[in-house]
Amino acid sequence: GQNIDQPTEMTATEGAIVQINCTYQTSGFNGLFWYQQHAGEAPTFLSYNVLDGLEEKGRFSSFLSRSKGYSYLLLKELQMKDSASYLCAVRSSNTGKLIFGQGTTLQVKP
Amino acid sequence: DGGITQSPKYLFRKEGQNVTLSCEQNLNHDAMYWYRQDPGQGLRLIYYSQIVNDFQKGDIAEGYSVSREKKESFPLTVTSAQKNPTAFYLCASTREGRGANVLTFGAGSRLTVL
Repeated sequence: GQNIDQPTEMTATEGAIVQINCTYQTSGFNGLFWYQQHAGEAPTFLSYNVLDGLEEKGRFSSFLSRSKGYSYLLLKELQMKDSASYLCAVRSSNTGKLIFGQGTTLQVKP
Repeated sequence: DGGITQSPKYLFRKEGQNVTLSCEQNLNHDAMYWYRQDPGQGLRLIYYSQIVNDFQKGDIAEGYSVSREKKESFPLTVTSAQKNPTAFYLCASTREGRGANVLTFGAGSRLTVL
């Protein structure tokens, strides 16, 4: 079957670093996406990984290991506005569809 | 500015009524999608369309219908056959082709059945 797992909730302190993990099992792999979603709003694109390794974009980085079916999103220098849900999604190369995890709700505390 | 517009933002419906959610994009994207989001669950695909006048069922199409008469528009009708329609509905679009094909989302429509 197809499955994507993320922790349901995480809490971190302003200014700290947090790592949100995502493991996946899909029928074929054609890219992994991370989206940020504030409560009641649309998801916004953060990062895309299709090859193994680390992609860095300012305070946010995303890592992928295809052999392990594993990715993480790393958020540095946390700010209060980073409190949101973070969605991991994998595109199946067999179907072309995006499969979403249930999302990780991150709460940043002062 | 280019983007996706969903309306209405909030909608209340009585049981047994059909409702239609609007989705319009001016990004010149080829493909459009409808997702449903429930608390504690990932986004689930309802319907998608890759070209005008063609669409396919997603994973949870029962009780929903769509049309794609224009490239810019992809309305979703939630019919009375949908047993649990209260949810947050998200419309999205992509430009199909090589590359990441990143989804751009609308702001969402929250439907509540009374």
